[in-house]
Amino acid sequence: QVQLVESGGGVVQPGRSLRLSCAASGFTFNTYGMHWVRQAPGKGLEWVAVIWYDGSNKYYADSVKGRFTISRDNGKNTVYLQMNSLRAEDTAMYYCARENSVGPLDYWGQGTPVTVSS
Amino acid sequence: DIQMTQSPSTLSASVGDRVTITCRASQSISRRLAWYQQKPGKAPKLLIYKASSLESGVPSRFSGSGSGTEFTLTISSLQPDDFATYYCQHYYGYSPWTFGQGTKVEIK
Repeated sequence: QVQLVESGGGVVQPGRSLRLSCAASGFTFNTYGMHWVRQAPGKGLEWVAVIWYDGSNKYYADSVKGRFTISRDNGKNTVYLQMNSLRAEDTAMYYCARENSVGPLDYWGQGTPVTVSS
Repeated sequence: DIQMTQSPSTLSASVGDRVTITCRASQSISRRLAWYQQKPGKAPKLLIYKASSLESGVPSRFSGSGSGTEFTLTISSLQPDDFATYYCQHYYGYSPWTFGQGTKVEIK
């Protein structure tokens, strides 16, 4: 069955960096686009970034553009989110999700929490 | 960027009620719209895609309609398991795939 397992979250000071990982299993990873979505405490869902199945294209929310980088290693069935210059407003639960063949996000991980605080 | 506006923000209803949630896009997104259900402490779950297609395993009491800029999610007869927060999301082109702000369905 499809599984997505995020890791790498934690508490980090403002201005520092963190890299999140999402390990995928149960499907042919290199044929699916992958997304990161976040949710600040008590708030709604915010789409963060997408990477195409082959890594050839990447798109970002304006709120993270220039600070976050999405990447993938199809040999390791893993997608990453490198987060630099972190701010308090980046505090959230971060989910990875699979984009199905017609567009929406059909499988989600359980999330990894990120807290940016001094 | 395409903005998604949901209404209402909160909805109080009883078991058995017919419930309708609206989502409006700031520009036409054809039928490239999905609906998700999220319960506290859990990841979102895909309910509807392509505006009206039911995801496998989702009860038939959930339905979606609309195209262009106006969309609705309807629950025909609200069940206890349906009390949750619902989000719409567009996946049109290369614009950021924004979510609506969410609609919390509460017990009346």
